[in-house]
Amino acid sequence: EIVMTQSPATLSVSPGERATLSCRASQSVSSNLAWYQQKPGQAPRLLIYGASTRATGIPARFSGSGSGTEFTLTISSLQSEDFAVYYCQQYNNWPAFGPGTKVDIK
Amino acid sequence: EVQLVESGGGLVQPGGSLRLSCAASGFTFSSYAMSWVRQAPGKGLEWVSAISGSGGSTYYADSVKGRFTISRDNSKNTLYLQMNSLRAEDTAVYYCPTKIAAAGAFDIWGQGTMVTVSS
Repeated sequence: EIVMTQSPATLSVSPGERATLSCRASQSVSSNLAWYQQKPGQAPRLLIYGASTRATGIPARFSGSGSGTEFTLTISSLQSEDFAVYYCQQYNNWPAFGPGTKVDIK
Repeated sequence: EVQLVESGGGLVQPGGSLRLSCAASGFTFSSYAMSWVRQAPGKGLEWVSAISGSGGSTYYADSVKGRFTISRDNSKNTLYLQMNSLRAEDTAVYYCPTKIAAAGAFDIWGQGTMVTVSS
């Protein structure tokens, strides 16, 4: 079983600032890593797949990097609509999600 | 428009049963594997089960194995989750995501249906 961890649990950022979120897998998942955004009362929305490919319609301020066991989601300049919870998920094996990082307003 | 609509959630007593449905539209349903993912109140996402496009292969998380059964009716473009021997810890919003254009990631999600297990 692959276990996903995310840090930090909460990230306080001012609008316009850069946010960097981390995700770690307990064993290599190659580039089979996705990032999702979830707002209260809504379903998750896919942002990034293949560790670094933006999903359809996702703004360029979202970028992903990493491979193997260490991954990063960067939001270059936070907009008001970006304050949400972000989950990473590996799909190299049975799907497994990280516990999430909440990005809130500083 | 690609769409998934979950239904069938509700309040059920511990030990009871419930069947969830997920109606798909806008894509060739039988060509795609489907999954169930749940989210307990205030908690993260947990993959529950998956089924191949033909329905011939099914997969379960250890937490639901032997209690839940996933199935599909490709003639009706509908996915099901039969949940038996329900426990309080099964309380969650249940989603039925699929992977259409994102190489293994869940790019299409429904709005979810809430299941509450309580006496």
